Amino acid sequence: ETGVTQSPTHLIKTRGQQVTLRCSSQSGHNTVSWYQQALGQGPQFIFQYYREEENGRGNFPPRFSGLQFPNYSSELNVNALELDDSALYLCASSRFDGQGHNEQFFGPGTRLTVL
Amino acid sequence: GDSVTQMEGPVTLSEEAFLTINCTYTATGYPSLFWYVQYPGEGLQLLLKATKADDKGSNKGFEATYRKETTSFHLEKGSVQVSDSAVYFCALNDGNKLVFGAGTILRVKS
Repeated sequence: ETGVTQSPTHLIKTRGQQVTLRCSSQSGHNTVSWYQQALGQGPQFIFQYYREEENGRGNFPPRFSGLQFPNYSSELNVNALELDDSALYLCASSRFDGQGHNEQFFGPGTRLTVL
Repeated sequence: GDSVTQMEGPVTLSEEAFLTINCTYTATGYPSLFWYVQYPGEGLQLLLKATKADDKGSNKGFEATYRKETTSFHLEKGSVQVSDSAVYFCALNDGNKLVFGAGTILRVKS
């Protein structure tokens, strides 16, 4: 069973640029959630995708957007990068079975540095 | 909204010492509670969970009991090892999202 994978592992961007991060969900999972973890802090919920639609969003501006594809993989896009966007971005997959979302399994994360 | 507060670190212990990391929560309902562990350079791994009051989650020698009366979910281990050195996060589920505490760094010395 393949776990949650994310790419790239690291990347460096400059302020004002745009970035796309990718996530492949674990086999059998249909839901992907994205979290931002700033240095020394706990992860903060960005949004969740289920059935290719956004299914809940945290306190993040619209320049954070996402997609989910028919194979349940997902992308996180961030436009107009700011220095404070520097963080570890974590993707988590889970399976919604109609009764509730089950355990979320996390990927290793993408470390984004904005200069 | 719901929130989680956990004790600040770092916590530094000698090998075989007893570990307690305090966690309290604020929630409008009765969430499930979790402890996640993050080893250096890695993502989060679920350590244990409890879904209702008085449940005890346990894994790899770690334990935590869901205490509704004190809104707490303290993590304990009787004898820590150097390999337990990591960052520990307490979390709850708020609908379809997880709400995390700030994390507690644990350092175990041999």
